Amino acid sequence: KAGVTQTPRYLIKTRGQQVTLSCSPISGHRSVSWYQQTPGQGLQFLFEYFSETQRNKGNFPGRFSGRQFSNSRSEMNVSTLELGDSALYLCASSSEPKSDEQYFGPGTRLTVT
Amino acid sequence: GENVGLHLPTLSVQEGDNSIINCAYSNSASDYFIWYKQESGKGPQFIIDIRSNMDKRQGQRVTVLLNKTVKHLSLQIAATQPGDSAVYFCATRGSFQKLVFGTGTRLLVSP
Repeated sequence: KAGVTQTPRYLIKTRGQQVTLSCSPISGHRSVSWYQQTPGQGLQFLFEYFSETQRNKGNFPGRFSGRQFSNSRSEMNVSTLELGDSALYLCASSSEPKSDEQYFGPGTRLTVT
Repeated sequence: GENVGLHLPTLSVQEGDNSIINCAYSNSASDYFIWYKQESGKGPQFIIDIRSNMDKRQGQRVTVLLNKTVKHLSLQIAATQPGDSAVYFCATRGSFQKLVFGTGTRLLVSP
């Protein structure tokens, strides 16, 4: 069974631009969560989607948004990029929202210059 | 708010030694705890988990201990190997079923 895939793996953007990251969960998994990982803050929860609906949201500004498609693939979007948005963005999938085990993808490394 | 903290940012051990990585959490309502391993360039990988109705759980070369009284969690790795070198995170499931992660301990294993 293929794991969680994220595209692109690396991305360089400039301040003020917007970016879209993509995540394909493990086949059969319907819940997708997004996390931001930075050296200073560690792993922070962004949001969780299940059956195309956002079920949970972390404490991030409205510039961060996401969506999930009917095939469970998910995208997250960051608008008006700031230098502080530079981070590793991780996607994790699970069979359902309350499922204990989440499987992480390799992440997308976003650098904002 | 909820937070999870690790006691040491870096732990250096010799190959063959046992390693102990510690974690403290703040939310007494947390009912589920997980340890993840993250190698360079990869996403976190599940190692072992434990529920709040247990105080110890063993896996292959790993043991997780949970002390709910002092809200403390530890991961013990037996006979540490160079391949165990990575960053280790603990995570707890608390309010709204969200996972809250600690900041991570980097384990360095020298031959």
